[in-house]
Amino acid sequence: GQNIDQPTEMTATEGAIVQINCTYQTSGFNGLFWYQQHAGEAPTFLSYNVLDGLEEKGRFSSFLSRSKGYSYLLLKELQMKDSASYLCAAYNFNKFYFGSGTKLNVKP
Amino acid sequence: ETGVTQSPTHLIKTRGQQVTLRCSSQSGHNTVSWYQQALGQGPQFIFQYYREEENGRGNFPPRFSGLQFPNYSSELNVNALELDDSALYLCASSLEAGGQETQYFGPGTRLLVL
Repeated sequence: GQNIDQPTEMTATEGAIVQINCTYQTSGFNGLFWYQQHAGEAPTFLSYNVLDGLEEKGRFSSFLSRSKGYSYLLLKELQMKDSASYLCAAYNFNKFYFGSGTKLNVKP
Repeated sequence: ETGVTQSPTHLIKTRGQQVTLRCSSQSGHNTVSWYQQALGQGPQFIFQYYREEENGRGNFPPRFSGLQFPNYSSELNVNALELDDSALYLCASSLEAGGQETQYFGPGTRLLVL
């Protein structure tokens, strides 16, 4: 079966750093995506990891460990506009498996 | 703006009816995927079409079917609607079918089944 786990909700302060974890168990694996979804809007692409290690994109970084079935999204210098749900998705041979999302609340 | 559009934005149907949802992909994008997103949940993969052929399917019954057309548009058809089909339906297009391709999501169609 397919199982993607993320924390349901997190709260962090503006200007801080937050790490959102994702663990996955899938029958096959080709890569892991992170998406941001603001309430009432469609998901937007943040990052993609296929190899182990850290991918950095400005304030956002994503890490993958294939052997541990683990990924995290790191958000630095948090801004109020970062309040959203963050979805991790495992990709396996033309099928995508999304977690339920982590709702991030950024407070002043 | 992702360049992916969907219609209608909202729809109300009754149990047992059939519905067709439409998606217009970015020009040149050969792949479209459809997702169902229940409130408070992540998107659930329904299926993917690549160059007008089904290229992968999630755990959805056969009453969920699709079509992709040469003009980068596609449809999701749902027969014999059930109350649990009430959800946001998202389509996402990408250039090719490989896992490294970024998907661009449309704004979604919110379906309510009464």
